[in-house]
Amino acid sequence: QAQLVQSGAEVKKPGASVKVSCKASGFTFSDYYIHWVRQAPGHGLEWMGRINLYSGGTIHAQKFQGRITMTRDTSISTAYLDLRRLRSDDTALYFCAGGGGYYPDVFDVWGQGTVVSVSS
Amino acid sequence: DIQMTQSPSSLSASVGDRVTITCQASQDINNFLSWYQQKPGKAPNLLIYDASNLETGVPSRFSGSGSGTDFTFTISSLQPEDVATYYCQQYTNVPLTFGGGTKVEIK
Repeated sequence: QAQLVQSGAEVKKPGASVKVSCKASGFTFSDYYIHWVRQAPGHGLEWMGRINLYSGGTIHAQKFQGRITMTRDTSISTAYLDLRRLRSDDTALYFCAGGGGYYPDVFDVWGQGTVVSVSS
Repeated sequence: DIQMTQSPSSLSASVGDRVTITCQASQDINNFLSWYQQKPGKAPNLLIYDASNLETGVPSRFSGSGSGTDFTFTISSLQPEDVATYYCQQYTNVPLTFGGGTKVEIK
């Protein structure tokens, strides 16, 4: 069955960068988009951006302009989120979520989440 | 950006009760709306897409309706395993946006 497995928890200092991975299995990698969604402690869901796994094309929310990069490695069916210049309010649970076929922006498969803690 | 306003933010109901959650978009999103269930400490799970289509494997007590700006999500008979937070999400425009969530508890 379709599955996304994310990398482990990260602890970072303010100003640092973090790279989270998301390995896909059980579906045709290039047929999907991978989205990144985060959830601050006690808060709701926030969409960060998405990558087209076929073309590599990306689009992200304006608030992350200049700090976010999304990439993929098709040879190992893995997508990556890079977030730079981390701040304390970037502390959150980060999810990758996949959508494909006629519904690239409907998230029918989710990773388990990666905790990113930012603290001095 | 399209704002999604969900209500109520929380509710408490008895097992077997009918539960209704509403989601209002700040502009017309046609029927490009999905609903997700998130249990504590877990990733969200897709329940409904295109406002009213039930995802494969999702129990039929869950349903959705609406179009344009006003949408409704219903649990026809609340079960103990339905304790969770529910989110609506629009996908007509980027940035994709979520409602603030509705926490459902058992009375």
